[in-house]
Amino acid sequence: ELKVEQNPLFLSMQEGKNYTIYCNYSTTSDRLYWYRQDPGKSLESLFVLLSNGAVKQEGRLMASLDTKARLSTLHITAAVHDLSATYFCAGSNTGTASKLTFGTGTRLQVTL
Amino acid sequence: DAGITQSPRYKITETGRQVTLMCHQTWSHSYMFWYRQDLGHGLRLIYYSAAADITDKGEVPDGYVVSRSKTENFPLTLESATRSQTSVYFCASSDGRVTGELFFGEGSRLTVL
Repeated sequence: ELKVEQNPLFLSMQEGKNYTIYCNYSTTSDRLYWYRQDPGKSLESLFVLLSNGAVKQEGRLMASLDTKARLSTLHITAAVHDLSATYFCAGSNTGTASKLTFGTGTRLQVTL
Repeated sequence: DAGITQSPRYKITETGRQVTLMCHQTWSHSYMFWYRQDLGHGLRLIYYSAAADITDKGEVPDGYVVSRSKTENFPLTLESATRSQTSVYFCASSDGRVTGELFFGEGSRLTVL
């Protein structure tokens, strides 16, 4: 059974700083997803990582996947207040298309 | 517009009552999912469906019933609601192809008194 762990669970950072959210998973996962959730809202897809070594970037966010280490990272560069949200990573069991197992989320608070 | 919609968005009910949460998608996605979101647990899969008339249990199926007679609809029923089922419920869909990406509805906040 796939298990997904994120850390930290809560992150308070100042604007302009860099930081990384880590996502570890327990068994083989052929793909890794990152989602963003604003308070009281739905989940918005950020990145889909489909292979080992995959790196994707959108604005100040960059996600990467290392399937050998069973690790994905979400790197935040020069944080701004608008990035304040909860970020979830999710893995997919091999052979079970779209059946995602989610981490518990990282609540990011960017302060001025 | 195409999308995935849930109803009701908010529901308050009493212990023992039957509640049905509706989910409708207009993308003709083959896969549909129900997750519940609780503080400290992230999202946990309740049930999913790979196609009409095909459903399967997820991580936390007890106390829930689903059906999928049409591709576009995937209702979730709590046959006898309990306080532990107070949660935010998200429906999601996917075409199940290369990316397997899920697209989520707006959520249904259920309170069981």
